Amino acid sequence: GDSVTQMEGPVTLSEEAFLTINCTYTATGYPSLFWYVQYPGEGLQLLLKATKADDKGSNKGFEATYRKETTSFHLEKGSVQVSDSAVYFCALSSHYGGRRALTFGSGTRLQVQP
Amino acid sequence: NAGVTQTPKFQVLKTGQSMTLQCAQDMNHNSMYWYRQDPGMGLRLIYYSASEGTTDKGEVPNGYNVSRLNKREFSLRLESAAPSQTSVYFCASSEADTERTGELFFGEGSRLTVL
Repeated sequence: GDSVTQMEGPVTLSEEAFLTINCTYTATGYPSLFWYVQYPGEGLQLLLKATKADDKGSNKGFEATYRKETTSFHLEKGSVQVSDSAVYFCALSSHYGGRRALTFGSGTRLQVQP
Repeated sequence: NAGVTQTPKFQVLKTGQSMTLQCAQDMNHNSMYWYRQDPGMGLRLIYYSASEGTTDKGEVPNGYNVSRLNKREFSLRLESAAPSQTSVYFCASSEADTERTGELFFGEGSRLTVL
């Protein structure tokens, strides 16, 4: 079945450092890809998405490019802030009994220190 | 803007007890979902409902039942709770079950502990 693999965390960075969180996937067909973020004590919220190969999703300074050849969707940000501390989930749209729902990776916790 | 509301936020049960997690959304979404979140395993789909009156099993449905009471409400029931069901449960909704299912809107989660 479909699956998403993310790098283990926690990732600890200093403010203004460059961030990369790796995500690779296994899926049939050409799924849409997503990054969700979960701030402490809250539910997940969509950060960005890409629906086809070579698409770049971007939001709040975060970017990710849909790479079909490497089946990857790595999350990047040029300069992180303390407020970016959260858990980040990579996800893809999957088939469940003929319908679609999201399959999530295990999440990567980011801690940004002042 | 309530969005997706889950109750209760915290619950402690003894093995064998039953309980129902309630979820309601006010965005007129067709699709609703129940996920569980466990450390190191991300979110796993328990059940989903593509529209009022329909429900389908997800990745980990065993030990759970669901009811799509109306378009707004989607409840998750544990008939006989087990320690393996200790988890954080998230309800979510989306506009439609389309080929390119996009954004899910999540509730704040319900933390369940089964002793």
